[in-house]
Amino acid sequence: QKEVEQDPGPLSVPEGAIVSLNCTYSNSAFQYFMWYRQYSRKGPELLMYTYSSGNKEDGRFTAQVDKSSKYISLFIRDSQPSDSATYLCAISGYNKLIFGAGTRLAVHP
Amino acid sequence: DVKVTQSSRYLVKRTGEKVFLECVQDMDHENMFWYRQDPGLGLRLIYFSYDVKMKEKGDIPEGYSVSREKKERFSLILESASTNQTSMYLCACEGGLQEQFFGPGTRLTVL
Repeated sequence: QKEVEQDPGPLSVPEGAIVSLNCTYSNSAFQYFMWYRQYSRKGPELLMYTYSSGNKEDGRFTAQVDKSSKYISLFIRDSQPSDSATYLCAISGYNKLIFGAGTRLAVHP
Repeated sequence: DVKVTQSSRYLVKRTGEKVFLECVQDMDHENMFWYRQDPGLGLRLIYFSYDVKMKEKGDIPEGYSVSREKKERFSLILESASTNQTSMYLCACEGGLQEQFFGPGTRLTVL
């Protein structure tokens, strides 16, 4: 079993849709949870960071952590074509970041 | 803003060649990392360094070595490139709370 599981997609949605991206993890000791966004031919950039269960909101983005289920989510409201990218979850564990495989998202006009 | 630069965006090498990938960061961060990224496998950690002249193996160090002579520079070395090392290579440095800042990546093709 992988330490972090993420559905690779691809996910294709119309502009304006609500997008839900998800990851599960195996070790309940993991403490910090992040979402990175990676545009084509670029390096990943940090989008959201959280360390506790519950929701964290930043504009159209909401990160959700459920430690009891070992499940993290990223919601994108009113999705835009500029949101088209690969989204990677990352979890802090064993003194390093463990990344999911990434979900490729395409938002079409 | 933190800036992480990598020496090449695209690189084509032949099997058996020695390959150097260089990474420079401008934020005086102590921790630096090298990953490779392959479709369906995500980012896999090759090596990391917590300080000058210190290095630690990551999850897939075989076939690679690293050098960190100065705090801002972390180099990845492929001693004898092989076709299965064709990949996207990403360098990162780490700020507080394990937030990592990535370079633009080097897409290496080994023929």
